[in-house]
Amino acid sequence: QAVLTQPSSLSASPGASASLTCTLRSGVNVGTYRIYWYQQKPGSPPQYLLRYKAESDKQQGSGVPSRFSGFKDATANAGILVISGLQSEDEADYYCMIWHNNNWVFGGGTKLTVL
Amino acid sequence: EEQLVESGGGLVHPGGSLRLSCAASGFTFSDCDINWVRQAPGKGLEWISFISANSRAIYDADSLKGRFTISRDNAKNSLYLQMNSLRAEDTAVYYCARVVDWNFDLWGRGTLVTVSS
Repeated sequence: QAVLTQPSSLSASPGASASLTCTLRSGVNVGTYRIYWYQQKPGSPPQYLLRYKAESDKQQGSGVPSRFSGFKDATANAGILVISGLQSEDEADYYCMIWHNNNWVFGGGTKLTVL
Repeated sequence: EEQLVESGGGLVHPGGSLRLSCAASGFTFSDCDINWVRQAPGKGLEWISFISANSRAIYDADSLKGRFTISRDNAKNSLYLQMNSLRAEDTAVYYCARVVDWNFDLWGRGTLVTVSS
């Protein structure tokens, strides 16, 4: 089982909010980790969005709008990226990442469609 | 302008070797930790290797240990990835990515490696 699991795709309407989940494997406690989020558009390298561990330990990437925010769901053992006020330009692939056992680990990515 | 530019990709036969380079400019390269990350066509991101600013700390993906070796030359503002015993599944775009405060905050545009007979 992969360390990080993301749904392969998600669709949402312009102006709505989208919640992208990143579920940690059983036994890998989300409370322990900073969850990093990256956005990648076709033909371009990924860009750092934000990281979230707790309200006391979070960081927004430089120039990243406040519409992008991070949370955790301890019950689901998951990190969550919320994008509010969706815009067409938010259509992209989104990846979560953690530092785990001296390895950086990426989730498989979620393709967000705004339609 | 801060920039990372990868080079050295191309077509290589299975079992062959290739050395990728990543040239840094616009910032103090010797102060920065750097990673290699790859992305197979149509697939997700896969972290390969990390090297600290002074080369004292190196971490490699468990799945690739023994075949890929990261190194750097701070005098030349350059990062390298030596890849040996290449396989078809190593076909990917290879990115270098700078680490600042644990974030991969600057990425190159990548170099494509194709492993095929």
